[in-house]
Amino acid sequence: GAVVSQHPSWVICKSGTSVKIECRSLDFQATTMFWYRQFPKQSLMLMATSNEGSKATYEQGVEKDKFLINHASLTLSTLTVTSAHPEDSSFYICSAREGMSREQFFGPGTRLTVL
Amino acid sequence: RKEVEQDPGPFNVPEGATVAFNCTYSNSASQSFFWYRQDCRKEPKLLMSVYSSGNEDGRFTAQLNRASQYISLLIRDSKLSDSATYLCALGGSGTYKYIFGTGTRLKVLA
Repeated sequence: GAVVSQHPSWVICKSGTSVKIECRSLDFQATTMFWYRQFPKQSLMLMATSNEGSKATYEQGVEKDKFLINHASLTLSTLTVTSAHPEDSSFYICSAREGMSREQFFGPGTRLTVL
Repeated sequence: RKEVEQDPGPFNVPEGATVAFNCTYSNSASQSFFWYRQDCRKEPKLLMSVYSSGNEDGRFTAQLNRASQYISLLIRDSKLSDSATYLCALGGSGTYKYIFGTGTRLKVLA
């Protein structure tokens, strides 16, 4: 149980394009989903927290107009990197939690490379 | 001071050795503590939660020291397959957000 999927697993795009990443909880309803970014040899940095049906809460320093998050259902959240630039190249990982549980279950991540 | 600090390593140990990592934190209101294992270019996977009284899972033992504000992970009888980066994660009071440490890299050598 508690499986989270992400799609795509990797993407290469040109500078200026937008990229959408999907995060799905496959066998549970995700009360909250989290989006993280991890640069090489660095830790996971929380970008935003999203609750189903409400606006995402962004961490300080994360541009909400650049990283659009939609959490339209209890099993799906999407992150759209708008007008991507090479500095946005990173490993994007989502996680999800169920009900009142504090445990987060992580998706396999999406490796984004912007040329 | 960073909210969560870990020695990045790498810790190079021979097979069969015992190795321990610490993770210090600055927010005394932290309520939940976890150790994750992350392999290269993969997502983190939960290794174990850390309970106030300490807990053990096979070769792995986790402890929490609230007074000194750190958690520890002890690995006994290291295996080659234990080579990975070990991340600590903390959850705050009244929030479900995690804050991760930068991770400690472990290499178990044959």
